Amino acid sequence: QQQVKQSPQSLIVQKGGISIINCAYENTAFDYFPWYQQFPGKGPALLIAIRPDVSEKKEGRFTISFNKSAKQFSLHIMDSQPGDSATYFCVPTGNQFYFGTGTSLTVIP
Amino acid sequence: KAGVTQTPRYLIKTRGQQVTLSCSPISGHRSVSWYQQTPGQGLQFLFEYFSETQRNKGNFPGRFSGRQFSNSRSEMNVSTLELGDSALYLCASSAVGETQYFGPGTRLLVL
Repeated sequence: QQQVKQSPQSLIVQKGGISIINCAYENTAFDYFPWYQQFPGKGPALLIAIRPDVSEKKEGRFTISFNKSAKQFSLHIMDSQPGDSATYFCVPTGNQFYFGTGTSLTVIP
Repeated sequence: KAGVTQTPRYLIKTRGQQVTLSCSPISGHRSVSWYQQTPGQGLQFLFEYFSETQRNKGNFPGRFSGRQFSNSRSEMNVSTLELGDSALYLCASSAVGETQYFGPGTRLLVL
């Protein structure tokens, strides 16, 4: 059973545009919903995270939207920049955690 | 606090050999997870250790094994290396149910 479905697999966005990455999960026991960002040759690093008691969290240009009933959460990158070009992973977490398959984002200048 | 450290950072081995990688977690973190990352397969979960016990395991052959010591440091072992084992091996530590912090990884090349 696939615990986490992340989409799209890859995304190309113009500079200044909005990037949206989605994550759907199965396990209702997850209680922590982070997004990680990974640059080539580096380990993933926490970008932004949300707890299920709120439906949205914004940090600068990055926003998580959380829909508990639909078991989905998404990452929105506003005013996307070439420096945002990286791979993004959703990692719903509880007593266990599951990495999404990753989304390769390319922001074109 | 010091971050997650992994040793060695780079390693070259030949087919059939075995290798041991080491990971020192952030102080106070009792959960250590290992991942393999390749261009073709992406980031794949190997296993997770918590309090010296393997708590979760990915879909890898038995050639891949690990252990965790009482100080939470962890080692991963790959026996009978194959060319396809060439990858970046990442270690991450966390408090239970919290953010995972990744180390810089060990890049393994199997010739």
